[in-house]
Amino acid sequence: DAGVTQSPTHLIKTRGQQVTLRCSPKSGHDTVSWYQQALGQGPQFIFQYYEEEERQRGNFPDRFSGHQFPNYSSELNVNALLLGDSALYLCASSLGGSAFFGQGTRLTVV
Amino acid sequence: GENVEQHPSTLSVQEGDSAVIKCTYSDSASNYFPWYKQELGKGPQLIIDIRSNVGEKKDQRIAVTLNKTAKHFSLHITETQPEDSAVYFCAASFSRGANSKLTFGKGITLSVRP
Repeated sequence: DAGVTQSPTHLIKTRGQQVTLRCSPKSGHDTVSWYQQALGQGPQFIFQYYEEEERQRGNFPDRFSGHQFPNYSSELNVNALLLGDSALYLCASSLGGSAFFGQGTRLTVV
Repeated sequence: GENVEQHPSTLSVQEGDSAVIKCTYSDSASNYFPWYKQELGKGPQLIIDIRSNVGEKKDQRIAVTLNKTAKHFSLHITETQPEDSAVYFCAASFSRGANSKLTFGKGITLSVRP
């Protein structure tokens, strides 16, 4: 079992650009959640996808959007990047229970 | 919304001693409480979790206790080893079907001295 996999592992973008991060859930898991983790902080919930729909959303602006595909994989898109968007972006998958995280994508906005 | 507080922020113990990390939560509706271990450069790893219908759960050297009345839960690590050194996060959620938004504490850095 490959577990939760995320790509890319590291990314550098310029302010104002757009970025897409990808996540493949653990085998059999149908729910994908995205979190943002700033340095020295706990992960902050961005949103959750189930059955290809956004089910819950945290306090993040509309610049953050996502998608879930029929195979349960997911994408996180961030538009008009700000310096403050620099963080570790984590994907977690679950099947009605415990959430398992990927290794994250380190996004640096310059 | 839910607020999770974790204390202390750092903890240093001697190898072989026990470590206890405490968390409090604010929303009495929360019913699911996982603990995660995060090593440098890695994503959080689920180490143990507990649901509100259980007061205690144990898995080898790790145990979690839950006090719903006081709204706090604790992680207990016995016979600590250097490889236990990491950042530990507690979290809480109201888990209902597929909806399980986790609210995390700020984390505690555990150092185990050889």
